Amino acid sequence: GDSVTQMEGPVTLSEEAFLTINCTYTATGYPSLFWYVQYPGEGLQLLLKATKADDKGSNKGFEATYRKETTSFHLEKGSVQVSDSAVYFCALRGGGSYIPTFGRGTSLIVHP
Amino acid sequence: GAGVSQSPSNKVTEKGKDVELRCDPISGHTALYWYRQSLGQGLEFLIYFQGNSAPDKSGLPSDRFSAERTGGSVSTLTIQRTQQEDSAVYLCASLDWGVLEETQYFGPGTRLLVL
Repeated sequence: GDSVTQMEGPVTLSEEAFLTINCTYTATGYPSLFWYVQYPGEGLQLLLKATKADDKGSNKGFEATYRKETTSFHLEKGSVQVSDSAVYFCALRGGGSYIPTFGRGTSLIVHP
Repeated sequence: GAGVSQSPSNKVTEKGKDVELRCDPISGHTALYWYRQSLGQGLEFLIYFQGNSAPDKSGLPSDRFSAERTGGSVSTLTIQRTQQEDSAVYLCASLDWGVLEETQYFGPGTRLLVL
């Protein structure tokens, strides 16, 4: 079945550092790929998505590129802020399925 | 407009008791999901409703878990004879398949603690 693997956290960075959170997946066909963010005390919200190979999703300075050859969708940001501290979830939805599969989440802590 | 709301925000119960968790989706969203989020784990899919179709119950972990969606809007997740392993955050999300963005909108969750 479909699966998503994320790097384990927490990831601890200083403000303005470069961020990468790795995500790889296993799926049949051509899934849609997502990154969700969960701020403390809140529900998940969609951060960005990509629906086909080589697509780049971007939002709020975050980017992720759909790499079919490496089955990856790594999340990057050039300069993190304290306000980016949250838990980040990688997810996929396989073609023909209405049920997404989520990774375990990666906690990001950004220090001033 | 209003987002997805869930109630209660926190629930403490004793082992063996039944609990009901409520989800109010965004108006007009025909799709509704329930997930369970345990500490250190990802989101575990529980059940999916779409319009008037029969729900996809494939994620329910046991027959103690059930859910219904009345009038295509509000949904209730019921856990009977709760066990300590049911302690988790229960998340609800709604979605409108009619728009291209395919964005799930999540509620803040209900934190359930079974003593």
